[in-house]
Order: sequence, then structure tokens, then C-alpha cells
Amino acid sequence: DSGVTQTPKHLITATGQRVTLRCSPRSGDLSVYWYQQSLDQGLQFLIQYYNGEERAKGNILERFSAQQFPDLHSELNLSSLELGDSALYFCASSVDPSGSYNEQFFGPGTRLTVL
Amino acid sequence: AQSVTQLGSHVSVSEGALVLLRCNYSSSVPPYLFWYVQYPNQGLQLLLKYTTGATLVKGINGFEAEFKKSETSFHLTKPSAHMSDAAEYFCAVSDGVRDDKIIFGKGTRLHILP
Repeated sequence: DSGVTQTPKHLITATGQRVTLRCSPRSGDLSVYWYQQSLDQGLQFLIQYYNGEERAKGNILERFSAQQFPDLHSELNLSSLELGDSALYFCASSVDPSGSYNEQFFGPGTRLTVL
Repeated sequence: AQSVTQLGSHVSVSEGALVLLRCNYSSSVPPYLFWYVQYPNQGLQLLLKYTTGATLVKGINGFEAEFKKSETSFHLTKPSAHMSDAAEYFCAVSDGVRDDKIIFGKGTRLHILP
């Protein structure tokens, strides 16, 4: 158990819909990262937040957005869903990305199925 | 830009045999390198990491990897495979300076033959 929690574990929805994935980082971790794992694209970095502010952006679609709240939990919002958005979405957290190495701890993931 | 190439999407070894999973990276700055393991229907677990210092890194479950700058490689090895090693393994790179995003390879599925 990494200490990172993600809800829900599974999500099934239809094309065109909007969903919200939630992540609670490990106690004391200030940074949250979102990754997408799909069969065709592999594991891809989406976005990183540090203490409530966006710090780095990866291959995140405009239909997707994220935020980190004052209590440091984060939500990933996926809208206008397409079949290709079906994937496993991971959240990870680390203490402080201040330039020295900080290990990222991964949550168990949320499996999104778009029908 | 950083990138990772894992040679072989599937590798099969016999139980008790040497495990060798290959990884080559590209990075414009001194890299941080990782190997992660993903068991079926589970999240990612860090096996080992190289940041600075000794180039031979030992990880959990008997795995180790060697950072070879001249070859831009970070191959993962284990002397004797166990059935429980069957999983997907991901090599990854981060520059750990500008930001901590991790760039993953495509993964190698390790099959252990009885």
C-alpha cells in the first residue's frame, strides 16, 4: 500500500459524458501527478500540481483538466469522453519537487471504460 | 526531450534462469532512471532507482540495474527468475530538476516458464 488513494476503482460511462477522478496523496506530500495508461499509448504523463498550482504539463488533451485543492487532494476531470479515453488513470504523489530527487508513489489507479 | 526505449515487449525465461530486461534512454541532462513493476490489476511499484553515485543499483526482490552512461543504458537483471516475477516492467527517466515528470518506456512483459 503506497498511501495514495484513488476513487473510484472502476468507472463505466458513455461517449460524450463527463467524469471526475479523485486522488488523495500520501500524508505530507505536496505534489500530485496524473498519468494515463492505455494499450496503444502506454504510460503517459498528463499533468503535475504542486501545492495547489500547476507545475508541469504533458500530453493532456484540452478536454481534460485537473486541479489540486487546499487539502492537497486532486481531481482529474475528463469531458466529452471518447472511446479512446478508455484507460487506467494513475495518480502519484511526492514530497517536494524542489530540484532534488523525490520518489513518486503511485496509487492503484482508476479504470475508465467508455462505451 | 527525454525518451526511453525498452527492447522486447515480451520476454520469456525459465524459472531459475537469468532475467535481463533491456532499457536505453535519451536525455539532455544527467538523468534519474527507474524501473517500475506492475503486477496484474495493480498499480506501479518502484523496483529501483538511479539518481547519483554508484552506478550499480540494487532494488527489491533481488533485482539490480547498472547505469552505463557511455551506452545510455540501464538494463535490469536478476540472477535467478522466480514464478512470482511474472509481471510488466517499465523503465523510466526523469530529469528531476526542472520538474519531476516521469517518462516511461512501453513496458516489457516478463513471462516465467516452469
